[in-house]
Amino acid sequence: GAGVSQTPSNKVTEKGKYVELRCDPISGHTALYWYRQSLGQGPEFLIYFQGTGAADDSGLPNDRFFAVRPEGSVSTLKIQRTERGDSAVYLCASSPHGAGEQYFGPGTRLTVT
Amino acid sequence: DAKTTQPPSMDCAEGRAANLPCNHSTISGNEYVYWYRQIHSQGPQYIIHGLKNNETNEMASLIITEDRKSSTLILPHATLRDTAVYYCIVRGMNRDDKIIFGKGTRLHILP
Repeated sequence: GAGVSQTPSNKVTEKGKYVELRCDPISGHTALYWYRQSLGQGPEFLIYFQGTGAADDSGLPNDRFFAVRPEGSVSTLKIQRTERGDSAVYLCASSPHGAGEQYFGPGTRLTVT
Repeated sequence: DAKTTQPPSMDCAEGRAANLPCNHSTISGNEYVYWYRQIHSQGPQYIIHGLKNNETNEMASLIITEDRKSSTLILPHATLRDTAVYYCIVRGMNRDDKIIFGKGTRLHILP
């Protein structure tokens, strides 16, 4: 079946602009996660949804970052007033219930110029 | 911070078994050991996990020491496609427990 998909695959934006990154999880998975990965580092947790609600947003670096999952499936990560330090690969993962293994998408590479 | 320690890189000859070590000396009784790998420009891929017994699936075997303070991931017949960064992760049993990635081990399979 279809895996986790993320769009766009690449996004280049100017410093100060607003961006939205989309994640389509595996159908039926209630848990959805966002991670950020910088070059040479492992993925860093940002936020976790269980259904429509954010169960843990402790990894969001500041209030410029926000994520939603209004219908409990697709999620959007929103970054306001982008900074060059936001440049990274943003990964999304989903899981049937939360415990157990997570299934990752290919990521969105964000470059802020 | 990650609760595991892994060597930064390893080499293995194609066709040989790749044995990737991981130390997790502070693991608690309700935490699993998970392994993921990340091939260049892809998202991480789940490999295997275990609590205290050894586990095997179609991808790999996981050997956990009796005191659970370390484990070894074994790829029995490594191929060039196994070149990747391998992450060893300790994670609790509850659905709200996070995965915390370290830097992993970069495994190079040599032809």
